[in-house]
Amino acid sequence: AQSVTQLGSHVSVSEGALVLLRCNYSSSVPPYLFWYVQYPNQGLQLLLKYTTGATLVKGINGFEAEFKKSETSFHLTKPSAHMSDAAEYFCAVDMLSGATNKLIFGTGTLLAVQP
Amino acid sequence: DTGVSQNPRHKITKRGQNVTFRCDPISEHNRLYWYRQTLGQGPEFLTYFQNEAQLEKSRLLSDRFSAERPKGSFSTLEIQRTEQGDSAMYLCASSSTSDGPADEKLFFGSGTQLSVL
Repeated sequence: AQSVTQLGSHVSVSEGALVLLRCNYSSSVPPYLFWYVQYPNQGLQLLLKYTTGATLVKGINGFEAEFKKSETSFHLTKPSAHMSDAAEYFCAVDMLSGATNKLIFGTGTLLAVQP
Repeated sequence: DTGVSQNPRHKITKRGQNVTFRCDPISEHNRLYWYRQTLGQGPEFLTYFQNEAQLEKSRLLSDRFSAERPKGSFSTLEIQRTEQGDSAMYLCASSSTSDGPADEKLFFGSGTQLSVL
């Protein structure tokens, strides 16, 4: 079965510290991989996506993620956390390689940033 | 570009009642998606339209659920004979396929929160 696993439902970091949110997927075909962010009372917003090509993907707000096929991972990182990064983050996979945006989402990671 | 608009923001209903939600996508977006999100879970795909055609429905979408997009613009999602298990956030998203699959990007609305008492 196709699935996405996000390790850690809650992550807390200090302002200025490294942010690392983990995502692993299972797939029998090359996937498209996504990270979305959800701020309170707002819709999901695309942070970045991997389709093909360069495995290190840069997104908005200083976030980036690296596709590692051997580890079936797509972890999200940001070198220095800001208070405004506090939100819920969802990893997702499109198993049809972009034929549709029928996405399978992980359960989310709530990021807290401490002053 | 005014974004994806969903109405109402909140809906409280009694078990057994029918409810209808509306989604207005970004204009000229040819694809429209419905997802459902329950507490502590990520969104789950329900169905999607390309223009006015409903191309796929998830097995999550029971016979009590029906979605339409009559003119290829706004969409409605109706739930008949609501059950407490239908309580969730219903999310709408739209996209354009004009630039090809690698560049297709989903824009989500803020959702409609349904509470079935």
